[in-house]
Amino acid sequence: SQQGEEDPQALSIQEGENATMNCSYKTSINNLQWYRQNSGRGLVHLILIRSNEREKHSGRLRVTLDTSKKSSSLLITASRAADTASYFCATDSNYQLIWGAGTKLIIKP
Amino acid sequence: KAGVTQTPRYLIKTRGQQVTLSCSPISGHRSVSWYQQTPGQGLQFLFEYFSETQRNKGNFPGRFSGRQFSNSRSEMNVSTLELGDSALYLCASQQRGVDQETQYFGPGTRLLVL
Repeated sequence: SQQGEEDPQALSIQEGENATMNCSYKTSINNLQWYRQNSGRGLVHLILIRSNEREKHSGRLRVTLDTSKKSSSLLITASRAADTASYFCATDSNYQLIWGAGTKLIIKP
Repeated sequence: KAGVTQTPRYLIKTRGQQVTLSCSPISGHRSVSWYQQTPGQGLQFLFEYFSETQRNKGNFPGRFSGRQFSNSRSEMNVSTLELGDSALYLCASQQRGVDQETQYFGPGTRLLVL
C-alpha cells in the first residue's frame, strides 16, 4: 500500500525557475525522506526530515514538514536540466519504506 | 566503496517460470530491502533482511520469497511467474537497518514476463 499522494503528478518548468512538489501521508511518522529517480542514476536519497523538525535545507533543496497536516513539501530552487527526474517521498516504519506515488519533474531548457 | 549491485539487469521470462534475482549490498551493510516498482502500483515493499533474518514482509503472495547469506548478499525468488510480475525490482542496503538511516539503492533488475 502507498503512504500517500504526491502533488502534482507532473510538473514542467523552465530552467532557472523554482519547483515545488508536495507529499501527504496517512499515518504518524518518525521521519520523512525524499528520493529522486532518473534513468541515469537510479533511486537516490536526497534529504531526511525528522518528525520534530519543521524545515531542512540541503544545497538547492528545501524541505518542510507539517505533522499537523500530515504533509511535506520539497522546493528545488534555480532548477537545472539535470533535475529532470521523478521525486518520491517515503516514510519508514518497521524496517520498510512506504512510498508516495511520485512527481515527475521536467526542466525545459 | 562500491555501490549496491544487482544482477541481472534485465530479464525476460515466460508465465509459469521462476526467477532468482541477486543483490550485493555496500560493503559493511547488513540490511537489505527489496521493492517492486510498477507504473500502476508505484514502489511497493517486498521484504527486509538483517543478519540473515527476515524482519518484515510486505503484502505480496507466497510466490515471492527471499533470503540473505552470511556475507549480506541477498536473493529474491519469484515462482510461477505471472504477467503482472513484470516490474523493476530494486534492492537497497543500509548499514544497521534502523529507521532514519539512509537506504542506498541498486540500479534494479527489470523483469519482463511474457
